[in-house]
Amino acid sequence: KNQVEQSPQSLIILEGKNCTLQCNYTVSPFSNLRWYKQDTGRGPVSLTIMTFSENTKSNGRYTATLDADTKQSSLHITASQLSDSASYICVVRPTGGFKTIFGAGTRLFVKA
Amino acid sequence: DAGITQSPRYKITETGRQVTLMCHQTWSHSYMFWYRQDLGHGLRLIYYSAAADITDKGEVPDGYVVSRSKTENFPLTLESATRSQTSVYFCASSESLGHLSYEQYFGPGTRLTVT
Repeated sequence: KNQVEQSPQSLIILEGKNCTLQCNYTVSPFSNLRWYKQDTGRGPVSLTIMTFSENTKSNGRYTATLDADTKQSSLHITASQLSDSASYICVVRPTGGFKTIFGAGTRLFVKA
Repeated sequence: DAGITQSPRYKITETGRQVTLMCHQTWSHSYMFWYRQDLGHGLRLIYYSAAADITDKGEVPDGYVVSRSKTENFPLTLESATRSQTSVYFCASSESLGHLSYEQYFGPGTRLTVT
């Protein structure tokens, strides 16, 4: 069964620190992997997208990596800010279809 | 440019009542989707639509009905609400699914509580 699992479930860090969120997936083959940011009370917004042939993509202080061999992706946040407090969702799109598989997300709290 | 909007944002209803959640997008996107988001679960697809008058079931369609008479609107109806349908509902739209990197744009969500 195609699955996307994220860890940790939640994370608390101090402002200015870096952190890394993990995503393990069993979806194979897949077209792309996307990371979304979801602020409280809002819909998810795309941060990065990587196709199966890419292994890194940056968006400002957010850097996503992809290792297709181990079926792992990570999202690294540099110099965290209070506004980074949100849920981060890993989403994988299987090849040949449009239905995407969502992870349950990691809830990040950035404290002053 | 309003993008994609949902109404109401919050709704409390009783078991057995019919409820309709509205979704409206201003981009003329062909594809529209309804998801539910529950604690500990990823977003789960309820129904989707490829164009006006074309709809299909997703992962968890039981208890829900959709229609799409106009491209910009995609209402979701709970015919007889149950407590298990308490959730946050997200509508999304997408221009095209053919591109490798197609993106779904999400609305702000509707928080539904069934008592």
